[in-house]
Amino acid sequence: DIQMTQSPSTLSASVGDRVTITCRASQSISTWLDWYQQKPGKAPKVLIYKASSLESGVPPRFSGSGSGTEFTLTISSLQPDDSATYYCRQYDSYPVTFGPGTRLEIK
Amino acid sequence: EVQLVESGGGLVQPGGSLRLSCVASGFTFSDHYMDWVRQAPGKGLEWVGRIRKRRNGYTSEYAASVKGRFSVSRDDSKNLLRLQMNSLRAEDSAVYYCARVTAAPGTFHFDSWGQGTLVTVSS
Repeated sequence: DIQMTQSPSTLSASVGDRVTITCRASQSISTWLDWYQQKPGKAPKVLIYKASSLESGVPPRFSGSGSGTEFTLTISSLQPDDSATYYCRQYDSYPVTFGPGTRLEIK
Repeated sequence: EVQLVESGGGLVQPGGSLRLSCVASGFTFSDHYMDWVRQAPGKGLEWVGRIRKRRNGYTSEYAASVKGRFSVSRDDSKNLLRLQMNSLRAEDSAVYYCARVTAAPGTFHFDSWGQGTLVTVSS
């Protein structure tokens, strides 16, 4: 199985900050990776798919990059509404696996 | 509007069975692969299983942790996705989400999720 790791596990930043979350795969997954945002008590919502494609309706301050084994999710200017947990997910091969999540708090 | 509504969760004893349902509306259900994803209380997301569409033979895939115990099925005439869960264990306790896999070519991300249904396995 492909193992996914994320760093940091928690992150505290201020409104307006540029924030980067890293996701690493235990083997190459090309660009078969997406990013989800989950708020407490809610279902996840896709932000980025195919490593760098922005889902329709998602604010352009979110961006993704990477290929192979290392990926990043960047929020260019943090907003209060971005307080959430962020998960990466690989879908290169079965079983599909999620990263452990990064909890983002607003200072 | 795309809607996915899960039901069927509840309290079940270890070793017992439960069947979850997910009713879809607002889109052509038969055009999509459908997945189940779960989340134990206070924990991260775990993929459970997938069922492909008719054109792909309604084939399915499962996480190792549930293979042989859980089964995903669908009824396209009723826009219904099911998860049959047998031989349940305490570690199966979680909120179970159904998720739609996008029909867009070249990607397999989840573009819509249900609100989740809670399963608790306990004596």
